[in-house]
Amino acid sequence: GAGVSQSPSNKVTEKGKDVELRCDPISGHTALYWYRQSLGQGLEFLIYFQGNSAPDKSGLPSDRFSAERTGGSVSTLTIQRTQQEDSAVYLCASSSRPRLAGDDEQFFGPGTRLTVL
Amino acid sequence: QQQVKQSPQSLIVQKGGISIINCAYENTAFDYFPWYQQFPGKGPALLIAIRPDVSEKKEGRFTISFNKSAKQFSLHIMDSQPGDSATYFCAASMGYSGAGSYQLTFGKGTKLSVIP
Repeated sequence: GAGVSQSPSNKVTEKGKDVELRCDPISGHTALYWYRQSLGQGLEFLIYFQGNSAPDKSGLPSDRFSAERTGGSVSTLTIQRTQQEDSAVYLCASSSRPRLAGDDEQFFGPGTRLTVL
Repeated sequence: QQQVKQSPQSLIVQKGGISIINCAYENTAFDYFPWYQQFPGKGPALLIAIRPDVSEKKEGRFTISFNKSAKQFSLHIMDSQPGDSATYFCAASMGYSGAGSYQLTFGKGTKLSVIP
């Protein structure tokens, strides 16, 4: 079956421009996560969506970052007025439960590599 | 504040040897500890996971050892193969009990190279 897909795979933008990154989770997965992977920093949690509940935005680094999830499926992460420090790989993950339990896993997409010049 | 510390940053092991990666955590509320494997250009994939009521879990060549009192856990890869060459991340969350947060807190990763 299809896994988590993300688009674009690569995005190069100029400082100050806005970018939109897209995530298509596994069909039927109710939970969706965004993480950021920076060189030497590992993976950092950004935001979590579960069904129709209010998202957990506690990991968003600044108000330039926002995300939405339409119809409980596709999600878009938007970064406004991009800065060079936003350069990273942005990963999306989905899971079949709202919370991790037992060996339930988060399935990751391949990521979008964002480069801000 | 880094809540999960991982070491070493990189590791070179000969084929057939044992690879050992260590992690330490600070938050005693963590109750789920997965290891993820990531190949270049791919997203991380779950390798093996453990809960704190178990001291060891083995799946094939991969074993997690967990020391709750020391707040440490480690991944052992037996009979390491060149195909195991990847970046490994330990992680932790408070999700298992159904309470608290559910996102994963990751270590910074270990790049493993298995040489023939």
